[in-house]
Amino acid sequence: GAVVSQHPSRVICKSGTSVKIECRSLDFQATTMFWYRQFPKQSLMLMATSNEGSKATYEQGVEKDKFLINHASLTLSTLTVTSAHPEDSSFYICSARDTSGAPDTQYFGPGTRLTVL
Amino acid sequence: RKEVEQDPGPFNVPEGATVAFNCTYSNSASQSFFWYRQDCRKEPKLLMSVYSSGNEDGRFTAQLNRASQYISLLIRDSKLSDSATYLCVVNIGYKYIFGTGTRLKVLA
Repeated sequence: GAVVSQHPSRVICKSGTSVKIECRSLDFQATTMFWYRQFPKQSLMLMATSNEGSKATYEQGVEKDKFLINHASLTLSTLTVTSAHPEDSSFYICSARDTSGAPDTQYFGPGTRLTVL
Repeated sequence: RKEVEQDPGPFNVPEGATVAFNCTYSNSASQSFFWYRQDCRKEPKLLMSVYSSGNEDGRFTAQLNRASQYISLLIRDSKLSDSATYLCVVNIGYKYIFGTGTRLKVLA
């Protein structure tokens, strides 16, 4: 399967700081990437869809000014959690959509575990 | 009603057993279907896509029933390493909708 990397894998920060997470598709170009959040023992919740060269589409209840998404190239999307608070602590996972085969398939990065103190 | 529903389990089965999971979806416009596997504190990994004709990959068989709007996953000869959460994923338009997952524990 295709490879998606995510960096950093783990981050601990103080309340009020901003954290940037990078998601890269390593062996294919992805016009669409997705950002998910997963709390313990729960399923993945889609936060936003990141579209290369245009604004992200946010799911209901997700604050676009708090979770800034930039998809500047076909292989890189970034999620910045601004002014992080302890309730933002979660497992953030990105995925990239590979449209080269049928059906279109999404591949996940290894995730970023964010802890806000 | 949730868009994608799965029995959360856990399913505790002995090694060598056959186990089956079902997943139902509510949107008839759903286009493609997948099973992912997620190990504890890891990202989901694609197990297999699901086709209308059914498909098999080794010990794993997936089926799609569009009329009844469900997909299934059958695991034969369960191994200890099959213990994980199995996520049903449905693609509608640009979105992928996840079920809550079914936990499987294969016991020695």
